[in-house]
Amino acid sequence: GAGVSQTPSNKVTEKGKYVELRCDPISGHTALYWYRQSLGQGPEFLIYFQGTGAADDSGLPNDRFFAVRPEGSVSTLKIQRTERGDSAVYLCASSLVGSYEQYFGPGTRLTVT
Amino acid sequence: GENVEQHPSTLSVQEGDSAVIKCTYSDSASNYFPWYKQELGKRPQLIIDIRSNVGEKKDQRIAVTLNKTAKHFSLHITETQPEDSAVYFCAANHLQGGSEKLVFGKGTKLTVNP
Repeated sequence: GAGVSQTPSNKVTEKGKYVELRCDPISGHTALYWYRQSLGQGPEFLIYFQGTGAADDSGLPNDRFFAVRPEGSVSTLKIQRTERGDSAVYLCASSLVGSYEQYFGPGTRLTVT
Repeated sequence: GENVEQHPSTLSVQEGDSAVIKCTYSDSASNYFPWYKQELGKRPQLIIDIRSNVGEKKDQRIAVTLNKTAKHFSLHITETQPEDSAVYFCAANHLQGGSEKLVFGKGTKLTVNP
């Protein structure tokens, strides 16, 4: 079946602009995670959704970052007033409720110039 | 907070040799330990995992061991092949307030020389 998909695959934006990154999880997966991966590092947790609600947003670095999942499927990560330090690969993962296995999407490479 | 340490950061072996990567974790409540393989520019791919109720798990050429007392776990790859070359990440789950986020190590870049 189809895996986790993310769009766009690459996004270049200017400092101060607003960006939206989209994640489409595996069908039937109610748990959805966003991670951020900087060069040479492991993924770092940002936010976790169970269904439509954000069950854990403790990894969001500041209030410029926000994520939604209005219908419990597709999620959008929103970044306001982007900074050069936001440049990274943003990864989305999904899992079945009650299952530990998380399956990752290909990521969105965000570059802030 | 929770932390996962991974060693070594780079590992170079000859084809056919074994490779071992080690991780330690800090959260005694962690009960799930996956390993991901990430090729350059690709998504992390789950290759094997272990739960806290077992000490070892094997899948063909790869195996994981877990020592809950010492809070460390290891990935073993036998009969390495050039296509095993990639960055490998260990992780541990962190259970807090309903979240099951994964905390990752910094990765090990494995190079298998033909």
